[in-house]
This record gives sequence, C-alpha cells and structure tokens, in this order.
Amino acid sequence: QSALTQPASVSGSPGQSITISCTGTSSDVGNYNLVSWYQQHPGKAPKLMIYEVDKRPSGVSNRFSGSKSGNTASLTISGLQAEDEADYYCCSYAGNSAWVFGGGTKVTVL
Amino acid sequence: EVQLVESGGGLVQPGGSLRLSCAASGFTFSSYWMTWVRQAPGKGLEWVASIKQDGSEKYHVDSAKGRFTISRDNAKNLLFLQMSSLRAEDTAVYYCARDSAGTIDSWGQGTLVTVSS
Repeated sequence: QSALTQPASVSGSPGQSITISCTGTSSDVGNYNLVSWYQQHPGKAPKLMIYEVDKRPSGVSNRFSGSKSGNTASLTISGLQAEDEADYYCCSYAGNSAWVFGGGTKVTVL
Repeated sequence: EVQLVESGGGLVQPGGSLRLSCAASGFTFSSYWMTWVRQAPGKGLEWVASIKQDGSEKYHVDSAKGRFTISRDNAKNLLFLQMSSLRAEDTAVYYCARDSAGTIDSWGQGTLVTVSS
C-alpha cells in the first residue's frame, strides 16, 4: 500500500483559490469514489472536509470543493482565508477494508 | 455528538507491548466499522487497522501484521489496539476513528506512543 502523492506545500493570498492534487493508482483513487480530504491544524485531530470525492459534511464551508479525474483527486479552496492555513490530507479506500493516505500538503496563506 | 477518547499511550521500550483503548459515545458503536490511524512525529497519516461491526473481520497494515491486533467490546463501547514487539518506527500519535459507510468521518484526539530505550 503506497501513499498517495500530494504536493508538499501550496500557498496563496487571501481571497485567491488554490488546488491540491492527490495522485493514486487504478487500485485506489481510480477504482473507488471513496476519496476524502482532511484538514489538520497543529496539535489537533484531522477534520473531515470532503467525502466521496465531492461531498461536503454539514458545517464545512462551501469554499471547499472536491473532484476526481482518473487516478487523481483534487481539493480546491476558494476565497482563501487565514484560518485555512493547515495541513491537508487526502485518503482513498484501497480495497480489502484498507485505506491509503496522501503524504500531506501544507497550505500557507501569504 | 460523536466522541472518541483514546487512552493507554506512553513510553515503552523496544520489543515491549502496549494496549490502546478508545471509548466511544454519542452514536451506536456496534453499527460502525472502527479504525486506528497513526501519525509519526512531523509525518503524515497512516492507516493501521480496521474492524467490522461484530468483530468478525479484521484488517491490518502490512507493517503491523503479526504484531498488532485490533478488537472491540460492543457491550462497553470500547475499541482496542494490542501492540507487541514494538519498534522505534511505531512511535506516533494513534487515533481512533469511525468509518461511516466508506468514509473515516470522526476522530479522537489521539494518544501518543513513544518507543524508546
């Protein structure tokens, strides 16, 4: 089970949009619509932001959106705000009740 | 409100054992798959193990097979992770998490396991 590939860091100015990619394989991201995204602030537990590729849990801002094409999933944050500065992880179901995470992306608000 | 509270972490010598517990509340524990995920210091998240609602199916990451065992007590709303033959690379914060129909949707605050002599 190899980790999904994410960029180490992404940055943007307040109000801008940024996109984080998450590349897997045909055995995980490409095979299941069970891709989720988590936000993690330092010292805190991860928080679910997107599930099943493009669904938002109740209470998550509509500035967060998800998509998928082939083996690559993406998280877009629009109208970037200071509070969005955090680490973001993608996760995909990989079959046989196993999960695989991305290496994480540090989002910096300039 | 879903609550997951881990306990049992601490300092252990290489080769030692430790049992982590997770107390669940705010939902029908016996209706959900449950999962352990860990995060080494300064590193990313790693899935460790998952268990079916009735405990009849258990899955572990390759690096944990034969050393870690996930289990649960539905009568007490408790999830466990028995860890043995611990190595330095097992040092991490261990999170208990709920799997809701294919999404890990709720997390505990984590418990730190440090493997060091």
